[in-house]
Amino acid sequence: KAGVTQTPRYLIKTRGQQVTLSCSPISGHRSVSWYQQTPGQGLQFLFEYFSETQRNKGNFPGRFSGRQFSNSRSEMNVSTLELGDSALYLCASSPVTDTQYFGPGTRLTVL
Amino acid sequence: GENVEQHPSTLSVQEGDSAVIKCTYSDSASNYFPWYKQELGKGPQLIIDIRSNVGEKKDQRIAVTLNKTAKHFSLHITETQPEDSAVYFCAASTSAGANSKLTFGKGITLSVRP
Repeated sequence: KAGVTQTPRYLIKTRGQQVTLSCSPISGHRSVSWYQQTPGQGLQFLFEYFSETQRNKGNFPGRFSGRQFSNSRSEMNVSTLELGDSALYLCASSPVTDTQYFGPGTRLTVL
Repeated sequence: GENVEQHPSTLSVQEGDSAVIKCTYSDSASNYFPWYKQELGKGPQLIIDIRSNVGEKKDQRIAVTLNKTAKHFSLHITETQPEDSAVYFCAASTSAGANSKLTFGKGITLSVRP
């Protein structure tokens, strides 16, 4: 089976812009979670989607949003980018509620 | 909420020696504990996991032990090899539908000296 894919792999944006990241889960997996990874804060949970519904949300501002499509693919959006949003954004898919398999991530740099 | 702490932050071992990485968690409701290995430029890779109804699990050179009473779990790597050098993360979650998010430790950098 193909693994979790994320696009794009690298992205450079400027402050105030918005960005959309995409994630395709492992075939058959219906749950998709998003995490932000930074050197200072480590891996932090953003949100989880299951069957197109957001099932859980972390402690991030409303500028961070996501959605899931009927084919389980997911997107996350960050509006009004700030310098502190520079991070590796990781998507993980799961066949059930706990075992999660991560993609390679999207490296976002905000200038 | 859950808090996972991981110690030490770095660990250096000689090739062939064993490495042990320890994590503690705070939420007694947590019942799923995975370990991930992350190499430079890659996403975390699941290497082993354990559930709260099991005390120990092994997979070749890797083993994980869980002490629910003390709320800590450990990763054991035997006969370490240079390719084991990476950042290792422990995590905890409650496997219960809407509350299934993983809470991660800060990670430990393991260096295996040839």
